[in-house]
Amino acid sequence: DTGVSQNPRHKITKRGQNVTFRCDPISEHNRLYWYRQTLGQGPEFLTYFQNEAQLEKSRLLSDRFSAERPKGSFSTLEIQRTEQGDSAMYLCASSLGSGTGELFFGEGSRLTVL
Amino acid sequence: GENVEQHPSTLSVQEGDSAVIKCTYSDSASNYFPWYKQELGKGPQLIIDIRSNVGEKKDQRIAVTLNKTAKHFSLHITETQPEDSAVYFCAASYSGNTPLVFGKGTRLSVIA
Repeated sequence: DTGVSQNPRHKITKRGQNVTFRCDPISEHNRLYWYRQTLGQGPEFLTYFQNEAQLEKSRLLSDRFSAERPKGSFSTLEIQRTEQGDSAMYLCASSLGSGTGELFFGEGSRLTVL
Repeated sequence: GENVEQHPSTLSVQEGDSAVIKCTYSDSASNYFPWYKQELGKGPQLIIDIRSNVGEKKDQRIAVTLNKTAKHFSLHITETQPEDSAVYFCAASYSGNTPLVFGKGTRLSVIA
């Protein structure tokens, strides 16, 4: 296994368009997290799944954001009607969810909204 | 909810010197404190972590100390090398089962 994979790595879009990011976690990991990171800031929690169940969403997460993890494997994060403020790096991470705590991050998907 | 403050935001040291990064947290229920290193163009990677049942943990040149009473924890890097240059993030959670809350990061530059 080569780790957490995210696609696309870069996305440039115009304001108002919809974008979707995909994350493929490490295969045996049952937990999957989405974080957002802007320049000079730490990762900010968005949402996470245990298997296919979405267990928690940040209060900061706008209704324009939706995430899914069908069948408990890969996950998608969709942003509808993008705004310039959505420009950021979107990081996906996975973990065993056994309380060990270690997150394995992908290299991220960078979104630029023009 | 949890809030993690991290200082300093930037740190420059000479190669071979030590570097110390400090974090404070707000939620006394937090008991898991990891440190992540992020290199340019990559996702953060865990370098060391500590749980509240211990006060200090070491792994070669890296050590973390925890003061639960004061709600702060620190990362210590000794004998720094140019490859230690990166952004370091502290984080906190409850038992590793709740989402990690990260600090804003410290950009460490090791000058050869």
